[in-house]
Amino acid sequence: QSALTQPASVSGSPGQSITISCTGTTSDVGGYNYVSWYQQHPGKAPKLMIFEVSDRPSGVSNRFSGSKSGNTASLTISGLQAEDEADYYCTSYTVSGTLVFGGGTKVTVL
Amino acid sequence: QVHLVESGGGVVQPGRSLRVSCAASGFTFSRHAMHWVRQAPGKGLEWVAVTLYDGSDEYYADSVKGRFTISRDNSKNTLYLQMNSLRAEDTAVYFCARDPWELPSVPDYWGQGTLVTVSS
Repeated sequence: QSALTQPASVSGSPGQSITISCTGTTSDVGGYNYVSWYQQHPGKAPKLMIFEVSDRPSGVSNRFSGSKSGNTASLTISGLQAEDEADYYCTSYTVSGTLVFGGGTKVTVL
Repeated sequence: QVHLVESGGGVVQPGRSLRVSCAASGFTFSRHAMHWVRQAPGKGLEWVAVTLYDGSDEYYADSVKGRFTISRDNSKNTLYLQMNSLRAEDTAVYFCARDPWELPSVPDYWGQGTLVTVSS
């Protein structure tokens, strides 16, 4: 199972919006709505930010939003803040009953 | 609240075995599928395995199939990962993670991880 494709890095200034893409295939992202996004700060466990493509867990800021079009899912962070600087990973359920992660995107707040 | 605590990590020689555990609390363990995910030093997340809520079935990443076994003891609220024939490339922090459903989907809550180092 090949990893989902994410950009290695994305940057933006405070207050700006950024979007991270996550591209898979019809066997994973395109075929299921079990697509999630995680935020990970150095040395910490991943934290769920978006589940089932576009739903936000309780307690996650509404500055985070998710969407999907075809085989590509996207995470948008609006009103970028210093605390948003972290690594972000997408993941999807697959036709094989397994999961696949993206390679991760480092978000830098300029 | 959901609490997952991994243990059992350490340094092990190539070719040897190790079992890591994950103690769960704060939710009804027997109603959730459970995952193991690992992260090599400085690298991204890699999904390893999942077991259904009742342990009746499990799925593995190709990289560990035939060497690793995921299991659970619902009477002890504990998840296990038995790792055999360990290789240097298995060196990673191993996270256990809860699935929101009985059958596999995508994890919601994660533990803090336990470090496994495979080295001679």
